[in-house]
Amino acid sequence: DTAVSQTPKYLVTQMGNDKSIKCEQNLGHDTMYWYKQDSKKFLKIMFSYNNKELIINETVPNRFSPKSPDKAHLNLHINSLELGDSAVYFCASSQRQGNSPLHFGNGTRLTVT
Amino acid sequence: GESVGLHLPTLSVQEGDNSIINCAYSNSASDYFIWYKQESGKGPQFIIDIRSNMDKRQGQRVTVLLNKTVKHLSLQIAATQPGDSAVYFCAENKHGQNFVFGPGTRLSVLP
Repeated sequence: DTAVSQTPKYLVTQMGNDKSIKCEQNLGHDTMYWYKQDSKKFLKIMFSYNNKELIINETVPNRFSPKSPDKAHLNLHINSLELGDSAVYFCASSQRQGNSPLHFGNGTRLTVT
Repeated sequence: GESVGLHLPTLSVQEGDNSIINCAYSNSASDYFIWYKQESGKGPQFIIDIRSNMDKRQGQRVTVLLNKTVKHLSLQIAATQPGDSAVYFCAENKHGQNFVFGPGTRLSVLP
């Protein structure tokens, strides 16, 4: 029944590794997103994606790349992980971009050692 | 009371009292606003929204007030309960662009 589900919930890895976080939504929404939440709880948009357009926050390093196999999935792939990548990553979806509420997953806590 | 510093601003209220959480938004052109509640270990959860053509909107035990003149949004929670303890975020949106989130306020409900 979970509307937006992401896996894994916890991810601990070493610097330099490549990892992926998966996200799926069963709401039939057109747009999906990835947000990063830092240790101070600040939420920042990383990507928004619908079947037509990928919008990238220009501050996101190109080591981060979203991959969408279909409308219901938006995975986040991270290359060459760095200590500063440690954060909680949230996937979200909305019916329409910007004009309807975001529905968030429960987050993936990434710890880079 | 409310404390602001290096840590997340915290609002402490007695159980049963009303809570008011404030948010100053940044863009005078923003036309859609949402309040989210985030409990520990979970993602932000939608509480209530309001569009710029309204000043007030009520939900179950919650009211959102929008003052466009001073770019201020508030969330009022009536008869605050222990289950209301969480971090609350306001989010603003301009013309269908991506939402921008405020820094968050931690609400602590005292028994």
